[in-house]
Amino acid sequence: SYVLTQPSSVSVAPGKTATITCGGNNIGTKYLHWYQQKPGRAPILIIYSYKYRPSGIPERFSGHVSGNTATLTISRVEAGDEADYYCQVWDSSSVHYLFGPGTQLTVL
Amino acid sequence: EEQLEESGGGLARPGGSLRLSCSASGFSLSSYEMIWVRQAPGQGLEWISYITQTGSTIYSADSVKGRFTISRDNAKNSLYLQMNNLKVEDTAVYHCARDRGMRLGFDPWGQGTLVIVSS
Repeated sequence: SYVLTQPSSVSVAPGKTATITCGGNNIGTKYLHWYQQKPGRAPILIIYSYKYRPSGIPERFSGHVSGNTATLTISRVEAGDEADYYCQVWDSSSVHYLFGPGTQLTVL
Repeated sequence: EEQLEESGGGLARPGGSLRLSCSASGFSLSSYEMIWVRQAPGQGLEWISYITQTGSTIYSADSVKGRFTISRDNAKNSLYLQMNNLKVEDTAVYHCARDRGMRLGFDPWGQGTLVIVSS
């Protein structure tokens, strides 16, 4: 079955750039999305189809894909960006949706 | 504002049953595919079930197949998850979410309802 990989944690200083990766075989064919989840809150869609931001999501959040890796980039990181970030795809072979294991972003 | 609200969680015994509900407001549920996702304490997100607008197609994760059933009542703008033969490992917060399609992701999400399975 298809598997997504993410680093378990990423740390970044305020004002710097955070990069969170999501790896998977042929991930560029999967329509990958990113979600942000703060403690005790529901997840929020922040990037869809690799690089598009829903209305209301700051331009500081961006995404792209290259090879077998999708990347979420958060520019000018703020304390309020501290959260767990999950990538997600549809796996047509298993007819299952899949989430990556999640990356905890810590703002130092 | 488009919102989803879950209800029906609580404490159940192993082998018992619960039925979760998800009520939509601000949009018509009938126009969208819907899903359930759960999150065990301290763990990540796990997709568990999907249903098309009419209910004609349903997909479920292997972990719940044969035990959980997703359904919907578009007239009531509501989504359901019937959970039977519950196991301790089903303990989690259960979220419903609108599936905007394979290319567009899940949005919005409900806040979730907590299910605890314990003897």
